[in-house]
Amino acid sequence: DVKVTQSSRYLVKRTGEKVFLECVQDMDHENMFWYRQDPGLGLRLIYFSYDVKMKEKGDIPEGYSVSREKKERFSLILESASTNQTSMYLCASRTPGAQPQHFGDGTRLSIL
Amino acid sequence: AQSVTQPDIHITVSEGASLELRCNYSYGATPYLFWYVQSPGQGLQLLLKYFSGDTLVQGIKGFEAEFKRSQSSFNLRKPSVHWSDAAEYFCAVGGDDKIIFGKGTRLHILP
Repeated sequence: DVKVTQSSRYLVKRTGEKVFLECVQDMDHENMFWYRQDPGLGLRLIYFSYDVKMKEKGDIPEGYSVSREKKERFSLILESASTNQTSMYLCASRTPGAQPQHFGDGTRLSIL
Repeated sequence: AQSVTQPDIHITVSEGASLELRCNYSYGATPYLFWYVQSPGQGLQLLLKYFSGDTLVQGIKGFEAEFKRSQSSFNLRKPSVHWSDAAEYFCAVGGDDKIIFGKGTRLHILP
């Protein structure tokens, strides 16, 4: 089975901090994704990556950046955390083409 | 524009009753279609997928979905729900690059 592991289930940070969310997948998937999930808004795509060192903006990239130095790892970075970035963050990966995404268990991030 | 609509935000059914969750999509090409389930505090788990072929697809946990091209729909069904089916369900559509998710339907089960 595909395993997508997010480094933290719960995280509390302060306004203005630089925050790193880590995601690792073990199935050699080329594509990786970061979403945020908020009540009533569903999943919104922040950034995605087709392959190592490649990144594309999703629908809501403002205030975020990403890093993909190795194929198995995709990091989401909050450059200067703000309270409106309090949310559930979900990482996913997949093989390109007609394949589903596989999700991690999520990181619930609170910015105080 | 590409979009996915799940018209029901909440649905409540009695345990043992049948279930249908609606999903309509707008997509330019032939889509890939998915249903995911999310239990509280968890990530999304794939229930089933449609890429081509038979328009009635079977998934895990006794779920099935039917692709109707003429109606741009991909509704999820289960003949008899169990209390453990209480969760949030997401329909998704995509192609070779991104996948677009609906806003979800939360399923409540009455004992």
